[in-house]
Amino acid sequence: AQTVTQSQPEMSVQEAETVTLSCTYDTSENNYYLFWYKQPPSRQMILVIRQEAYKQQNATENRFSVNFQKAAKSFSLKISDSQLGDTAMYFCAFRGWRDMRFGAGTRLTVKP
Amino acid sequence: EAQVTQNPRYLITVTGKKLTVTCSQNMNHEYMSWYRQDPGLGLRQIYYSMNVEVTDKGDVPEGYKVSRKEKRNFPLILESPSPNQTSLYFCASSPSPQGREEKLFFGSGTQLSVL
Repeated sequence: AQTVTQSQPEMSVQEAETVTLSCTYDTSENNYYLFWYKQPPSRQMILVIRQEAYKQQNATENRFSVNFQKAAKSFSLKISDSQLGDTAMYFCAFRGWRDMRFGAGTRLTVKP
Repeated sequence: EAQVTQNPRYLITVTGKKLTVTCSQNMNHEYMSWYRQDPGLGLRQIYYSMNVEVTDKGDVPEGYKVSRKEKRNFPLILESPSPNQTSLYFCASSPSPQGREEKLFFGSGTQLSVL
């Protein structure tokens, strides 16, 4: 069975600085996607970024980028120029053929 | 507006009193699913459905029922709720039955407390 592990329950960063959230996963599938979702205090689930397993190039969305290491099964999220609005829970997620799994989440606090 | 509508947002009930959390999407999505979110455990899948009349168990299906009689609706039924089902519940949908690349569209969540 697929597993997704986020080893950092909580993190904090100063406004305008850079922070990296870690995620590792385990799967025997070859064709899958990885996602980062953000959950602010409003409870809304918002897609931050997605990565196709077959693409070697790391995905980037404005201030958000990933470091995807397929062999190591690692999928970290880098947030550059952190803003107060980035304060949220961040969930790493795996989507395979019939499987959708989430990590336990990392609570990120951006400090002014 | 394209959305997943989930009701109610908050629910307090007592042990053993049957309840239903409704979920409806207006995007003609094939795939729908239910998750529960608990501190330290993240989101865990309860049930999912790839199409009308097709449902499958997720990781934590015990104590829950679902049905998919119409494409747009996917209610979650707790026939005899227990305190360990106190949790934040999310319904989600996506366009295709096996669209690995597709993001999930989430409802706004239901905070359930079982006393």
